[in-house]
Amino acid sequence: GAGVSQTPSNKVTEKGKYVELRCDPISGHTALYWYRQSLGQGPEFLIYFQGTGAADDSGLPNDRFFAVRPEGSVSTLKIQRTERGDSAVYLCASSPGHRTEAFFGQGTRLTVV
Amino acid sequence: LAKTTQPISMDSYEGQEVNITCSHNNIATNDYITWYQQFPSQGPRFIIQGYKTKVTNEVASLFIPADRKSSTLSLPRVSLSDTAVYYCLVGSPNDYKLSFGAGTTVTVRA
Repeated sequence: GAGVSQTPSNKVTEKGKYVELRCDPISGHTALYWYRQSLGQGPEFLIYFQGTGAADDSGLPNDRFFAVRPEGSVSTLKIQRTERGDSAVYLCASSPGHRTEAFFGQGTRLTVV
Repeated sequence: LAKTTQPISMDSYEGQEVNITCSHNNIATNDYITWYQQFPSQGPRFIIQGYKTKVTNEVASLFIPADRKSSTLSLPRVSLSDTAVYYCLVGSPNDYKLSFGAGTTVTVRA
């Protein structure tokens, strides 16, 4: 499979717990993005990586959210002290570089109970 | 990024042509218009992009008038599998941050 892969596909966690969401981008894509999508709304930008560095993390809602991409490929979105309002589908996308066309994964549905 | 306005929903029947119009009155000179499609439980998928006049690919056509303040996505002869949410986005090709609105939910009925 040459597409963007996200794991797990579904995650249920208790309020206050820590979660990690993983994204495997398309091989060779230098740009990687995280978006969050709530029910009935379009995806909202969270963070953008160019290579290993976070070029823009302005969309992260607060300091409980953090993302890394240590080797410029796989990325992990980390959420501390989860809240019920964090429940959403978290989408990862990658692209070859500075392009409008982004390739999205199927997302991770996070439910905080 | 320019703000876009598109209908919340549209209904159609198999075999019909579906046209979704998107308004983007504040589009900038170097902005392109891009449409994404999203099926339930999947991420959005790029379907077409254009700057002016008409662009066609195997999935859809995109019509952009001379003033570029609106654009129309045309889906020819839709089938049930075209039921999805369609998003209109406007931005520079160098924009890495995609700005999605609520999109248009297209429902195709038999």
